[in-house]
Amino acid sequence: DAKTTQPPSMDCAEGRAANLPCNHSTISGNEYVYWYRQIHSQGPQYIIHGLKNNETNEMASLIITEDRKSSTLILPHATLRDTAVYYCIVRSSQTGANNLFFGTGTRLTVIP
Amino acid sequence: DAGVTQSPTHLIKTRGQQVTLRCSPKSGHDTVSWYQQALGQGPQFIFQYYEEEERQRGNFPDRFSGHQFPNYSSELNVNALLLGDSALYLCASSSETGWSETQYFGPGTRLLVL
Repeated sequence: DAKTTQPPSMDCAEGRAANLPCNHSTISGNEYVYWYRQIHSQGPQYIIHGLKNNETNEMASLIITEDRKSSTLILPHATLRDTAVYYCIVRSSQTGANNLFFGTGTRLTVIP
Repeated sequence: DAGVTQSPTHLIKTRGQQVTLRCSPKSGHDTVSWYQQALGQGPQFIFQYYEEEERQRGNFPDRFSGHQFPNYSSELNVNALLLGDSALYLCASSSETGWSETQYFGPGTRLLVL
């Protein structure tokens, strides 16, 4: 079963920051928070992941609360190409247990 | 550097038939996972192969089987196809030795069972 809760849909104006929330209140100490996105009919695309600290890469930033019970994915300047379903996933850090349990995600629509 | 590749891209079968889907992992990756994604749903984990053996399995019947070859490529076989097997089948690869074993997905094979 998915261990995360996300809003089903969100809109964001083009050029503005998109902030996608995720609740994972039952996360354990050895579980990562992963974000993927899926553009219509394509394979999921890895965005970013973290364990405790905030992370940033060329695509996005991941902010994890101090208690690790929630996180926010930030797309700093959303473009129309960022329209997709975004999945927040918690995953064990145990070697050999890296299978992913997807929920239904958040459908982000970037509006011109 | 090629990413994860899958073949074929699309496939149409009839009920009761058997199908084989193929996956080549990203260069340097040794672990392959398979997922099924029904229309409007998130991907569901089928199984994972490492060192040519099935290491983890999701809640899928024995009609779903797989294989991993010495070059790390993998096949997914589905026997006695049902209409409900119509879905996008996704392959993901990862490295057992890579940091946190991030999985990277291929474009998928869309299977339609008539």
